[in-house]
Amino acid sequence: KAGVTQTPRYLIKTRGQQVTLSCSPISGHRSVSWYQQTPGQGLQFLFEYFSETQRNKGNFPGRFSGRQFSNSRSEMNVSTLELGDSALYLCASSLDDSSYNSPLHFGNGTRLTVT
Amino acid sequence: SQELEQSPQSLIVQEGKNLTINCTSSKTLYGLYWYKQKYGEGLIFLMMLQKGGEEKSHEKITAKLDEKKQQSSLHITASQPSHAGIYLCGAATITGNQFYFGTGTSLTVIP
Repeated sequence: KAGVTQTPRYLIKTRGQQVTLSCSPISGHRSVSWYQQTPGQGLQFLFEYFSETQRNKGNFPGRFSGRQFSNSRSEMNVSTLELGDSALYLCASSLDDSSYNSPLHFGNGTRLTVT
Repeated sequence: SQELEQSPQSLIVQEGKNLTINCTSSKTLYGLYWYKQKYGEGLIFLMMLQKGGEEKSHEKITAKLDEKKQQSSLHITASQPSHAGIYLCGAATITGNQFYFGTGTSLTVIP
């Protein structure tokens, strides 16, 4: 079974631009969540989608948004990029549809650098 | 919010030595997960603990959740260079609607 796939692997953008990251979950997994990882803040929860609906959202500004498609693939978008958005963005999928009774499976992430 | 504190923050050990990483929560844990991360890569799932007193092992790694379900420990026996990386604990809230990660423990194993 293929794992969680994130594209692109690396991105370099300029302040003020916007970016879209993509995530394909493990086949059969319906929950997809996104995390931002930085040296200073560690791993922080962005949002979670289940059956095309945003089920939970972390404490990030509205510039961060996402969506999930009917095939469970997900995208996240960051608009008006700031230097502080430079981070490793991780996507995770899980099988369970209610609580975290099944583990999250992570992709290798997208490394975003904002200059 | 639920916070997970890990200790130590970093560890440097000689190959063959045993080590323990701790993960402490201020609230009751409902599902405690251990992950390992190589620098710049995704997280690899190691183990999941749900019941107080539960202990699980995989190869040379053992994890335990204490009876009160507020602390977990990860123990590595006879460490190897392949064990090097960042170890993170993660937990769900009681409602299961959000997932939190600990601050991470960086492990270096010197051959």
